[in-house]
Amino acid sequence: EVQLVQSGAEVKKPGESLKISCKGSGYSFTSYWIGWVRQMPGKGLEWMGIIYPGDSDTRYSPSFQGQVTISADKSISTAYLQWSSLKASDTAMYYCARKNDYGDSPGYWGQGTLVTVSS
Amino acid sequence: EIVLTQSPATLSLSPGERATLSCRASQSVSSYLAWYQQKPGQAPRLLIYDASNRATGIPARFSGSGSGTDFTLTISSLEPEDFAVYYCQQRSNWPIFTFGPGTKVDIK
Repeated sequence: EVQLVQSGAEVKKPGESLKISCKGSGYSFTSYWIGWVRQMPGKGLEWMGIIYPGDSDTRYSPSFQGQVTISADKSISTAYLQWSSLKASDTAMYYCARKNDYGDSPGYWGQGTLVTVSS
Repeated sequence: EIVLTQSPATLSLSPGERATLSCRASQSVSSYLAWYQQKPGQAPRLLIYDASNRATGIPARFSGSGSGTDFTLTISSLEPEDFAVYYCQQRSNWPIFTFGPGTKVDIK
């Protein structure tokens, strides 16, 4: 069974750094891309970017380029989303998602990681 | 950048009624459009991929149609568990996928 398990909720202060994780299991981690999606409180879904764990090729949506870093460690089947300096506006739920078995849309999703940034 | 618009923003219906949701793209996305359902406190769930293909385990009451710039998600007869927010997403501008703003289907 394909599973994406994300790290737990985080509470941080503005200016702090953070790295959240998404561990894949039940499939060949290097064979499928993983993407990250932001959902701000009460708002819709925003595509942040994508990584191919096999070669770490990474692409970002223009709105998130330079704001976050997506990475992966294929030895432990884990993808990451990180910030070097958090802002209050980074407060959101973050989901990781994997390509579906058919087609190229995100078909498998993690449970989400809630990030709260507050002074 | 491809922009998706969804209408209506809110759809108020009763169980058993038919729901018709629309998604329009600012330029052609061919058939590279998906639909998702999201319930409060849950991750999105893929319903339809590539405009008209139901994802694994999705009931037959959900169907998708369209190509180019105009797409429709139809729920033939609403079940109580179908009241949720629905998003469309394009993958034509791969790998920069974009989502529409969502349509909330609530109980009338």
